[in-house]
Amino acid sequence: GEDVEQSLFLSVREGDSSVINCTYTDSSSTYLYWYKQEPGAGLQLLTYIFSNMDMKQDQRLTVLLNKKDKHLSLRIADTQTGDSAIYFCAERGGDYKLSFGAGTTVTVRA
Amino acid sequence: DAGITQSPRHKVTETGTPVTLRCHQTENHRYMYWYRQDPGHGLRLIHYSYGVKDTDKGEVSDGYSVSRSKTEDFLLTLESATSSQTSVYFCATETGKVLADNEQFFGPGTRLTVL
Repeated sequence: GEDVEQSLFLSVREGDSSVINCTYTDSSSTYLYWYKQEPGAGLQLLTYIFSNMDMKQDQRLTVLLNKKDKHLSLRIADTQTGDSAIYFCAERGGDYKLSFGAGTTVTVRA
Repeated sequence: DAGITQSPRHKVTETGTPVTLRCHQTENHRYMYWYRQDPGHGLRLIHYSYGVKDTDKGEVSDGYSVSRSKTEDFLLTLESATSSQTSVYFCATETGKVLADNEQFFGPGTRLTVL
């Protein structure tokens, strides 16, 4: 599959904003996704963005897409302890299949 | 929630034994996928299916086979398990219709340990 890279760990204080970054290589990507995985569970879709958009906001979540640099970010405002999880970036490539990053473990500290 | 169940949820087996993992869905989704999750690798696609009896290989298919004889069931078989196949296995489904978000729905996972 195509390469999707993201940093592995992020520690953030409760109430602050979290920013998780992701880069991808497939220039024919159509959709890009953010999934959340809580301990012992499967992945759940948080949000997605179409490749012809550069920003999408959904309550506390803001997704920014820089298609020229193939860079995607997820900002979580007012981070809460319930936001502690692994966050996966994924891109829908030209072959229709999803390619996932390795996941960013977000730890929220009091 | 797409009503996806996986069985078993946990399994410990020995090298060289056959193992079959089952994914069952109740949403009549056309597309189904098997992934494995390993630290530092995220999710990697093993096999996928775009319909009954229509399966194909993903990026890490060596040592695995699949079958889909009914829309609701997708089986993953390790013909002769090896220690490198110790992993957490996730099944996912997708409607198969042309939708804006084309979300994949994930099962709870099966933790497989090969000794």
